[in-house]
Amino acid sequence: QQQVKQSPQSLIVQKGGISIINCAYENTAFDYFPWYQQFPGKGPALLIAIRPDVSEKKEGRFTISFNKSAKQFSLHIMDSQPGDSATYFCAASPAGGFKTIFGAGTRLFVKA
Amino acid sequence: GAVVSQHPSWVICKSGTSVKIECRSLDFQATTMFWYRQFPKQSLMLMATSNEGSKATYEQGVEKDKFLINHASLTLSTLTVTSAHPEDSSFYICSGGVETQYFGPGTRLLVL
Repeated sequence: QQQVKQSPQSLIVQKGGISIINCAYENTAFDYFPWYQQFPGKGPALLIAIRPDVSEKKEGRFTISFNKSAKQFSLHIMDSQPGDSATYFCAASPAGGFKTIFGAGTRLFVKA
Repeated sequence: GAVVSQHPSWVICKSGTSVKIECRSLDFQATTMFWYRQFPKQSLMLMATSNEGSKATYEQGVEKDKFLINHASLTLSTLTVTSAHPEDSSFYICSGGVETQYFGPGTRLLVL
């Protein structure tokens, strides 16, 4: 019940295309859903986050879509660029924070 | 966003020696910090929760006597890998924050 399931494990997208990464959770106590981006040899960094009272959040080329009834959320990267090539982690945490549960990660490669 | 630093960024040591890794929150106070281990091309594995002024909470399967954690102040947590062996070689990352996790840049440990 504490898991966050992430797919796909890896993704190859042409430059200019749309990258889509999906996550699913079971614990309805989760209240905060961030996405992190990690480049090789670096720590993860917050990319964008959403709360369950909102169905979509957009920041530049990055959009989170949230389906509360299905307990699923996804990251869309529009106009994907080679510089977006990284590992992306979805995550979930309960109200008030404390332990964040991470998905297994998706390695994205954007072909020039 | 908030900044977390780690020191050292990489370390090479001989088998049997101990290695200390520092994690500092530079612009916020962290009563709780988290330590992760990450193997190549894998997800973040939570090792332990570091609590300021009290004992750390270790995840199942993590040896508390091998991975000593000290959180003596609101801005500093340390992880000491005692009697390190080659299998302890990994990328260690810390984070702090309530909902959003702010990650350090990571420490790469190589035990020869």
